[in-house]
Amino acid sequence: KAGVTQTPRYLIKTRGQQVTLSCSPISGHRSVSWYQQTPGQGLQFLFEYFSETQRNKGNFPGRFSGRQFSNSRSEMNVSTLELGDSALYLCASSLQSQETQYFGPGTRLLVL
Amino acid sequence: AQKVTQAQTEISVVEKEDVTLDCVYETRDTTYYLFWYKQPPSGELVFLIRRNSFDEQNEISGRYSWNFQKSTSSFNFTITASQVVDSAVYFCALRGYNQGGKLIFGQGTELSVKP
Repeated sequence: KAGVTQTPRYLIKTRGQQVTLSCSPISGHRSVSWYQQTPGQGLQFLFEYFSETQRNKGNFPGRFSGRQFSNSRSEMNVSTLELGDSALYLCASSLQSQETQYFGPGTRLLVL
Repeated sequence: AQKVTQAQTEISVVEKEDVTLDCVYETRDTTYYLFWYKQPPSGELVFLIRRNSFDEQNEISGRYSWNFQKSTSSFNFTITASQVVDSAVYFCALRGYNQGGKLIFGQGTELSVKP
């Protein structure tokens, strides 16, 4: 079974731009969660989607948003990028919300 | 509030040494789940183990073993006879029963195994 895939793997943007990251979960998994990893703050939960509905949200500004499609694929969007948004963005999928999460390789975003 | 503390930021050992990574957690939930993940330089988090709060049985998997003690709110991870390939950052994580998919991670312990 293929693992979680994320595209793109690397991205360079400038301040003020917006970016969309994509995540394809493991086949059959319906829950997708997003995390931000930075050297200063570590791994922080962004949000979780299950059956196209946001189930849980972390403490991030409204510039961070996401959605999930009927095939469980998920996208996250960051608008009006700031330098501090430079991070590794990790997506994880699980069968249900309470099940073990399996992570993708991440998207490295650099904001200049 | 839920919190995970991994007090060891970096550990360096020589190959074949045993090493224990500490994890202490805080939660008010009576039912919760604990996890260990490994993050090699490639960046992907690799799942190692999940333990439910009502199952305090220790587990051994090859060179890996986990010691879960509710009395001290600890979930420590031991690698026996470490190998260079074990070099990575290891994360302990906690999820409350009603937290859906939200994992609370510790800051991670960077393990360096030298030949």
